[in-house]
Amino acid sequence: GAGVSQSPSNKVTEKGKDVELRCDPISGHTALYWYRQSLGQGLEFLIYFQGNSAPDKSGLPSDRFSAERTGGSVSTLTIQRTQQEDSAVYLCASSFGGGGYEQYFGPGTRLTVT
Amino acid sequence: GDSVTQMEGPVTLSEEAFLTINCTYTATGYPSLFWYVQYPGEGLQLLLKATKADDKGSNKGFEATYRKETTSFHLEKGSVQVSDSAVYFCALSSGNTPLVFGKGTRLSVIA
Repeated sequence: GAGVSQSPSNKVTEKGKDVELRCDPISGHTALYWYRQSLGQGLEFLIYFQGNSAPDKSGLPSDRFSAERTGGSVSTLTIQRTQQEDSAVYLCASSFGGGGYEQYFGPGTRLTVT
Repeated sequence: GDSVTQMEGPVTLSEEAFLTINCTYTATGYPSLFWYVQYPGEGLQLLLKATKADDKGSNKGFEATYRKETTSFHLEKGSVQVSDSAVYFCALSSGNTPLVFGKGTRLSVIA
């Protein structure tokens, strides 16, 4: 069956521009997560959506980062006024629920800010 | 907050060698523990998991036992293959929380 998909796979942008990253989770998964993978920082949690509950935004590094999930399915991560330190691979994952459920990861979007 | 510490890499082994990657954790609750693997050019995928003390997760010849007394979840494999070359991440999740990952350990297996 279809896994988690992300687009674009690669994005190069100039410093100061806004970018949108998209995640299509596995159908039926109620939980959706965004993580960031960068050299020296490992894998960092960004934001978590669970069903209709308010998202857990505790991992967002600054107010330039935001995310939404429409209709309990597709999610968009937006980074405004990008900085070079935002360069990383942004990973999306989905699962049937939180906690001990297996998270299924997408292939990631590699963001490069020049 | 919760945290995961795993051994620094890279680890280089010859084919058929024994592998251990150490992982210890700190958690306020009673977490579930995971090992994820990232093969070259691929996304993260779950390798194995354990949800309670003394549980042993196993997959593809890899094993890890949830040790509450030592707060550890070390990954082992008796005989590694070249195809096991990847980055391995130890992770935990407490209750309804996102995964907390270790820094990752890069394994290279040479023929």
